[in-house]
Amino acid sequence: GENVEQHPSTLSVQEGDSAVIKCTYSDSASNYFPWYKQELGKRPQLIIDIRSNVGEKKDQRIAVTLNKTAKHFSLHITETQPEDSAVYFCAARLGGGGTSYGKLTFGQGTILTVHP
Amino acid sequence: GAVVSQHPSWVICKSGTSVKIECRSLDFQATTMFWYRQFPKQSLMLMATSNEGSKATYEQGVEKDKFLINHASLTLSTLTVTSAHPEDSSFYICSARVQPRDEQFFGPGTRLTVL
Repeated sequence: GENVEQHPSTLSVQEGDSAVIKCTYSDSASNYFPWYKQELGKRPQLIIDIRSNVGEKKDQRIAVTLNKTAKHFSLHITETQPEDSAVYFCAARLGGGGTSYGKLTFGQGTILTVHP
Repeated sequence: GAVVSQHPSWVICKSGTSVKIECRSLDFQATTMFWYRQFPKQSLMLMATSNEGSKATYEQGVEKDKFLINHASLTLSTLTVTSAHPEDSSFYICSARVQPRDEQFFGPGTRLTVL
């Protein structure tokens, strides 16, 4: 099955700095890579995603890059704000069908703290 | 759009009792829903994939007789924790797959505490 590794486990930055979180995946058949933000005790919220036919995607201060050859993808947050503080999870989804189609394999999570 | 609800948001029960958690897609139909378990400060662990009208597919190590899943309609999946024990205490989160982009949106989660 798929295995996703996420680094770093914790990340502390000053407000206004950039933050980068990296993930690697094991199965080259994975074709969808979402990123979720989870605040304490709340649901994970989809913040950005990328599909395997695209190398980069940007949405305001958030961007994701994908390197299929190296099997890694990264989340970039620019001009960080204290409200960006949360746990961020990357995930990967295998392509193909079957009864478990669509299931995501999550990374271990990164606790991001943005200091004012 | 793509709103997923869960009920209850939290539940406290005695050891040995069964607890049912509901997951609903409010503004779309979901042929596939997923059930996750999350321990404090840990990642989401997929328990099972719930497909409308068919049996759920459980991940390795998840006891299907203990965690009963029913997906009887296109907007509702239920997870029943049978004969709950303190080690079953956790945060249970469902998600639903949204077409056509095939994104996945999560419910708010249910905090289960077994005394």
